[in-house]
Order: sequence, then C-alpha cells, then structure tokens
Amino acid sequence: RKEVEQDPGPFNVPEGATVAFNCTYSNSASQSFFWYRQDCRKEPKLLMSVYSSGNEDGRFTAQLNRASQYISLLIRDSKLSDSATYLCVVIPPSGGSYIPTFGRGTSLIVHP
Amino acid sequence: DTAVSQTPKYLVTQMGNDKSIKCEQNLGHDTMYWYKQDSKKFLKIMFSYNNKELIINETVPNRFSPKSPDKAHLNLHINSLELGDSAVYFCASSHRGAREGHYEQYFGPGTRLTVT
Repeated sequence: RKEVEQDPGPFNVPEGATVAFNCTYSNSASQSFFWYRQDCRKEPKLLMSVYSSGNEDGRFTAQLNRASQYISLLIRDSKLSDSATYLCVVIPPSGGSYIPTFGRGTSLIVHP
Repeated sequence: DTAVSQTPKYLVTQMGNDKSIKCEQNLGHDTMYWYKQDSKKFLKIMFSYNNKELIINETVPNRFSPKSPDKAHLNLHINSLELGDSAVYFCASSHRGAREGHYEQYFGPGTRLTVT
C-alpha cells in the first residue's frame, strides 16, 4: 500500500457544484495533515491544515478520520478559479524525523 | 516581498555537466527543503535542513549535494547530470523542522531543469 493515496481524477464539475476529495494514508502514527493546491506549472500553495476536530475556511472544509486513516477536502459552490490539482500531505514519523509525504494529487476541473 | 525565491527559473544543460540551483527565503524560517517533481507530477522530498543541519536525506544519488550557508539559504548542486534528472525542483521552507512533525511549508516558484 502506498503511503499516501489520492484519486487522480480528473473531477469535472459545473460551477456551483459541491465536490469532495479523499486522501488515505498508511502510517497510523502520522502527525500532521495538510491540503495544498497546485496550478499548472506553478508551485504548490498551502490551502489549509487539517485538524482532528475538522476545520473550515470559507467554502473549504477539511476533515480527518484517524480511525479509517483518511483526510478529506470538501469544496462548496465551486468556482472556475478552483480548477487546479489538490495535493494532500501527510507527515509520518521515520527514524526520529518526520518526512512530509505528498499524494500524487487530484485534478479538479470546474466548467461553466 | 518574495517569500521563497529560486534561481534560475529555467535551466537547460547537457548530460555530464554540473549545475547549481539557489534558494533563499525571507520568512525567518529555520527549516528548508528540496523537492523534485517529475514528469508525472509526483512531488518527492529530497533533503531537509534545520538550522543548517541536514535532517532528511531521502535516498538521493550522491551526485546531488545540498549546501546551507545559513538558515535563509539552501542551494542544490548536481554533478554529472543525467537525462533522468530532468524535472522541476522546488525549494520550500517552514518554521518547524523534521523532529517536531508539524509544519506548513511555503514553496518557491520552482526551477525547471532540462537535461539534453
């Protein structure tokens, strides 16, 4: 099983739709979780951290399910500008350090 | 105003050459990283430095040598470049290091390396 897995998509949704992505991880001792957004030919940019209690930032909601070892990202009222690749990041322990591990990303295309 | 900067943005070179990529951050972070993103867009960590100390070295060929002169700079030198080194290399920084396990990373714009 890969350390961090995401459905590559693409998810093709109309403007205004609600879309959700999941990201599963294999190491139950993982400490921190994040969602990043990457536009084509650009650097990844932090979207939000994922807290145990779940957190919301405007139209974006992130959840962590430690029992099932996955994190999720929900986007409500999708905008054209939300089209991008969404990367989940998990920080598992490894030999005394913590190694940030990226998923391969989920592609989102929002169309008019 | 640039938080994490890298130079050069594009690098085209021939096999066998040696090249360097520079990274600087003005965020006051104490940890810096190098990532490689290949043609399939998979982003993989290569190195991490915390206060100029190498913390993470993820089975990268020893042709790649990072150097951190101070905690605001992390450079990457690559010897004897190979075709497979073609990728986008991203530098990143964060407040906390690999020993603490909690970090939000800020990425530079990337260096697109093409080896011919």
